[in-house]
Parts: sequence; structure tokens; C-alpha cells
Amino acid sequence: KAGVTQTPRYLIKTRGQQVTLSCSPISGHRSVSWYQQTPGQGLQFLFEYFSETQRNKGNFPGRFSGRQFSNSRSEMNVSTLELGDSALYLCASSVLGGLGEQYFGPGTRLTVT
Amino acid sequence: AQKITQTQPGMFVQEKEAVTLDCTYDTSDQSYGLFWYKQPSSGEMIFLIYQGSYDEQNATEGRYSLNFQKARKSANLVISASQLGDSAMYFCAMREGEAPKTSYDKVIFGPGTSLSVIP
Repeated sequence: KAGVTQTPRYLIKTRGQQVTLSCSPISGHRSVSWYQQTPGQGLQFLFEYFSETQRNKGNFPGRFSGRQFSNSRSEMNVSTLELGDSALYLCASSVLGGLGEQYFGPGTRLTVT
Repeated sequence: AQKITQTQPGMFVQEKEAVTLDCTYDTSDQSYGLFWYKQPSSGEMIFLIYQGSYDEQNATEGRYSLNFQKARKSANLVISASQLGDSAMYFCAMREGEAPKTSYDKVIFGPGTSLSVIP
């Protein structure tokens, strides 16, 4: 069974631009969660989608948004990029979300200059 | 207040020896899940083991076992027979039970422990 895939793997953007990251979950998984990992803040939960609905949300500004499609693929969008948005963005999928285990993708490393 | 504490920023272990990575957590929920993940230098997070708050038995997965002490709010990871490939960052994480949609920070990761296996 194929794992979680994320595209692109690396991205360089300038301040003020916007970016869209994509995540394809493991086949059959309906929950997709997004995380931001930085050296200073560690791993922080962004949001979780289940059956095209945002079910949980972390403490991030409205510049961070996401969506999930009917095939469970998910996209995350960051508008008006700031230098502090430079991070590894990880996507994780699970069958039902909630208390089940998650499987992570390789991440997208975003650098904002 | 930090919800997940990993008191060992870095640890060393001799190859083939066992090692325990500490994790304590704080929650008022009765229903929650505890996870351990491994992150090698490549960056990918690898799921290792899961323990539900209502599970009576400690979880085990191959060389990994979770020493779950609910009353102490402790969920230590034990790696038996360490291998060189075990060198990585290890994260303890907690997912709390169902809550209203206005609840934030329902999934929390600890700061991690860097494990180095010495040949």
C-alpha cells in the first residue's frame, strides 16, 4: 500500500506571496492532519480534515487554511507569507482520525526569503 | 503549561543495549491516545507505537514497548536491542478526546529526545 505523499518536497517563496501544499493520504484513510515543524516551536498542529470537513484546528492565524477533496486528498494554503512561516510542513493520514494512529508523509520544506 | 514533557533532550546508548525514553503528559480528559514517533535526519515522521487511555495492556510493537503508567501520567518508550538505525529524534505525542469544535491544540507533541546509538 502506498504511503502518504506530499508535493512539492521543497519550495522557496518570497515574503508576501502565497503557497499551496498538497497531500495525498494512504488509500482508505479519510482523516488528514497538517503540522508545522520549526526548530523554535517544535511540532505544532495546524488542522485536521475528515470527509471534506475541518474537524479540528490549532492555534494559527487565518492566513493558514486548508481543504479536503472528495478523494480525501488535502491542500494547505498559506497566504501573505512571512519569514517565520519557513518550516517543514507535515501531513498525516489515518483511517478515522480521532484517537487512531497517524501515518506521516515526507513533508514539504518551505523556505520564505 | 506544557502538556507533554520529555526531560531528556539527548541520550546515548550502546548498540544492542535497551534504552528508555521518558514522556509525561498532562490532561484532564478520560479518553486520550498516546503516540511515539521517530524522526530520522531525513525528516519523515515514522509512527512507532500507540497506547489508548483505556488499554489495560502496555502496547508492544517488535522492539518497541510502551511503559504506560496512567496514575503517574507517564508513557515511556522502551527500545530493546538498540541498532545504529535507531539514531533519530523521538517524539511523544498526545491526542485528547472529543471536544467542541472551538477547542484548540487537541494534538500535542513533546519537544523530542535525540537518541544516538554508539557502535
